Amino acid sequence: GAGVSQSPRYKVAKRGQDVALRCDPISGHVSLFWYQQALGQGPEFLTYFQNEAQLDKSGLPSDRFFAERPEGSVSTLKIQRTQQEDSAVYLCASSLAAGELFFGEGSRLTVL
Amino acid sequence: KNEVEQSPQNLTAQEGEFITINCSYSVGISALHWLQQHPGGGIVSLFMLSSGKKKHGRLIATINIQEKHSSLHITASHPRDSAVYICAVRVGNEKLTFGTGTRLTIIP
Repeated sequence: GAGVSQSPRYKVAKRGQDVALRCDPISGHVSLFWYQQALGQGPEFLTYFQNEAQLDKSGLPSDRFFAERPEGSVSTLKIQRTQQEDSAVYLCASSLAAGELFFGEGSRLTVL
Repeated sequence: KNEVEQSPQNLTAQEGEFITINCSYSVGISALHWLQQHPGGGIVSLFMLSSGKKKHGRLIATINIQEKHSSLHITASHPRDSAVYICAVRVGNEKLTFGTGTRLTIIP
C-alpha cells in the first residue's frame, strides 16, 4: 500500500479481554516500531523489529503485551487481559534502515 | 528528567507571525526528527536532521549538534499550521525518544 495501515482504528474492550492490533508497514520497510500514546502525552516506545527479528522490546509495559512480525512484514501487537491503564493510541511506524519514519493513523484502544 | 525537552509546551499566535519551537536533548544522537500531529490524526514526519539546516516550504529546521539543540521555525503562520509539533531523537538501535510536544494554535 501507499502508507502504513493500522487496524482496527478504534477498539473498545471490556477489562480482561484480549485484543490484537495489526500494522501493515510500507512494502520493503525493514524497520517497524510500535509506540503507545496516552491522551495528551507524547508517544512512548514499546518495541522494534528489524525484518522478523524483535531487536528491542524494552518498552513493553508488562508481560501482558506481546508483539510479533513472523514474516518480516505485517506485525501484530497483542494485549492480554486488558486493563484500563492500557487505554491509549497505539502507533505503528516503519522505515527503511535508519531512514525517515512513516506513521500509521494509530489504533485507539479504550478499555472499559 | 525526559531526555528530550521541548519549549514552549503551548504557543498561541496570530496568523502571519513567525513561530519558533525549541528542542533540547541530553544524549548522543544519530538523527533528530520533527513531527506534526493534528488532533485525532496520525503523525507526519516533517524533517529528519543530523546536521545543519533543512527547509520545506514555510518550515525550516535547524540543529546544533554541539549544543544538543534544534529549532523548528514556521514563517507566515496560518491557522492550518495549528497542531502538536513533536521533536524526537534517534539513539542507538534506531528507536525514537519523543519530547512531550508543543501545542501550536494559530488564530486567524
